[in-house]
Amino acid sequence: DGGITQSPKYLFRKEGQNVTLSCEQNLNHDAMYWYRQDPGQGLRLIYYSQIVNDFQKGDIAEGYSVSREKKESFPLTVTSAQKNPTAFYLCASLDRGRETQYFGPGTRLLVL
Amino acid sequence: DQQVKQNSPSLSVQEGRISILNCDYTNSMFDYFLWYKKYPAEGPTFLISISSIKDKNEDGRFTVFLNKSAKHLSLHIVPSQPGDSAVYFCAAKSMLTTMDSSYKLIFGSGTRLLVRP
Repeated sequence: DGGITQSPKYLFRKEGQNVTLSCEQNLNHDAMYWYRQDPGQGLRLIYYSQIVNDFQKGDIAEGYSVSREKKESFPLTVTSAQKNPTAFYLCASLDRGRETQYFGPGTRLLVL
Repeated sequence: DQQVKQNSPSLSVQEGRISILNCDYTNSMFDYFLWYKKYPAEGPTFLISISSIKDKNEDGRFTVFLNKSAKHLSLHIVPSQPGDSAVYFCAAKSMLTTMDSSYKLIFGSGTRLLVRP
């Protein structure tokens, strides 16, 4: 049963704390992405990775960091430098053959 | 500067009737478009796509039309069902590099569709 999983579903962050969101896929896709959704807005690209050990900043990378040590995993860290972290975070991977990105179920991050 | 726009934040239709969701874009270099459906607190689900070499693509109850000269596309759902009630996002493919087929999606702000029984 292939797909993209994200955990946790809900995450609470305290002031000054770094938190890490997990994204795993077993679709054998090379490229993976992190998007952020705010209420009433479309998704915006945070970071992307085209291949293992490579990643690039997207449109709103400030205050975030990523790693891509394994093909299956692309975790996102929301650092204390991100001043407005409350949002719904979505991970996606690219099926190059179908030219389509498929999304995980998302993680909602809330600030305490 | 919003490159993909969905100017109707919401749409309400009667079950069995046609739903038409609209999307406009500003960048004439965009050559591939996708529609996603999203329920609250879930990830977007891919619905249908269209390449700029076509003006229509159909998949069951869903049809997407592309008017390149007007930089406009629309998603038609016929007949609409209550289970279609969700937020629909239009997205355009924007290449990240010229070296491979990796791209990012530029999303519109979404249209919330309500199908009334």
